[in-house]
Amino acid sequence: DAGVTQSPTHLIKTRGQQVTLRCSPKSGHDTVSWYQQALGQGPQFIFQYYEEEERQRGNFPDRFSGHQFPNYSSELNVNALLLGDSALYLCASSIGLRTLEQYFGPGTRLTVT
Amino acid sequence: AQKVTQAQTEISVVEKEDVTLDCVYETRDTTYYLFWYKQPPSGELVFLIRRNSFDEQNEISGRYSWNFQKSTSSFNFTITASQVVDSAVYFCALSEAKSGGSNYKLTFGKGTLLTVNP
Repeated sequence: DAGVTQSPTHLIKTRGQQVTLRCSPKSGHDTVSWYQQALGQGPQFIFQYYEEEERQRGNFPDRFSGHQFPNYSSELNVNALLLGDSALYLCASSIGLRTLEQYFGPGTRLTVT
Repeated sequence: AQKVTQAQTEISVVEKEDVTLDCVYETRDTTYYLFWYKQPPSGELVFLIRRNSFDEQNEISGRYSWNFQKSTSSFNFTITASQVVDSAVYFCALSEAKSGGSNYKLTFGKGTLLTVNP
């Protein structure tokens, strides 16, 4: 039973560039949430996708956008990268919108130079 | 707004010692959920325990136990007889139950780095 997978593992980008991160949820899960974890901090909620729609959003600018595909996988896009976007980006999957159990992936480490 | 505070930044213990991780939370909701997650160096968050706001019964699960006190808004986590493999960053998290029951987003504390030395 495959858990949550994320790609790539590591990524280095330059300020101003755009980046796309990918997440495949755990088998049987249809909801994906994205979190940003800066160094030495706890994860912060970015947004959540269910039925290919953004259902809830945290306090992040519009430069952060996402998408969910019919197979429930998801992408996180960040435009006009800033140095402050350097972080570990975590994807979590769950079933529907009314379950508490969220399973996290290993994350994508993004470094912006 | 929700807030989770973990006052302990780092804790270092010797193997077999008991260790308690502190967590204080703030929320306006009467129904909410509290969690503890473990993050080893690999980066993946691992779910440990969950309690809901209407159940203050404290429990023990193996070497883990927790103390939930609504009166002080605290949700402390104890590892008994710590082991080197327990070394990780531990996060306390809070989730409110929105009306309609949807969208259980998690609000995390800043984490406590636990180092268990042999």
